Amino acid sequence: NAGVMQNPRHLVRRRGQEARLRCSPMKGHSHVYWYRQLPEEGLKFMVYLQKENIIDESGMPKERFSAEFPKEGPSILRIQQVVRGDSAAYFCASSLRGGSMNTEAFFGQGTRLTVV
Amino acid sequence: AQRVTQPEKLLSVFKGAPVELKCNYSYSGSPELFWYVQYSRQRLQLLLRHISRESIKGFTADLNKGETSFHLKKPFAQEEDSAMYYCAPTTVNKFYFGSGTKLNVKP
Repeated sequence: NAGVMQNPRHLVRRRGQEARLRCSPMKGHSHVYWYRQLPEEGLKFMVYLQKENIIDESGMPKERFSAEFPKEGPSILRIQQVVRGDSAAYFCASSLRGGSMNTEAFFGQGTRLTVV
Repeated sequence: AQRVTQPEKLLSVFKGAPVELKCNYSYSGSPELFWYVQYSRQRLQLLLRHISRESIKGFTADLNKGETSFHLKKPFAQEEDSAMYYCAPTTVNKFYFGSGTKLNVKP
């Protein structure tokens, strides 16, 4: 089991371009979480998805950001018309069950987005 | 609103000294509590969970419901304990993470 895989590891985009971040959960995991980490800050929850469904997107900005987790393929975090403030590390985690007692989240190594 | 607070951004101790990383939470329900750790150049990983009442790498964490705290403790810190530590209350739909405490254990 290769663990949670995120790609790319590093992504550079010019202001106004689109950024697409991919996350392949661990085998058998159908719950995916996205987090953003700004420099010198902790992890901030963005969105929680199950296969084909967004369960909780309360942490995601209302504009320019979207996420999906299709039946086949990786989960995608999409940022349209990026701005410098979007520069951050974006982490994906997956779990076998939804967040609850005795459920562990497994993390990817993150994608570091730099907007120039 | 749900909130988790780790008041110390950086904690420096000497090898062999006791260490306590603080975590306070504010929740409407009864979250389950975890500590995650990120060693240099590695991915974030689970350190321990309250429900298991376990001691991992000499670390323990006591839940104090009255104070809504879940501090992480180790009696004798080792250099290899240097890492970022995140307190993570968990509810049905999400894992919340604190802002993290960087532990630096000096030789």
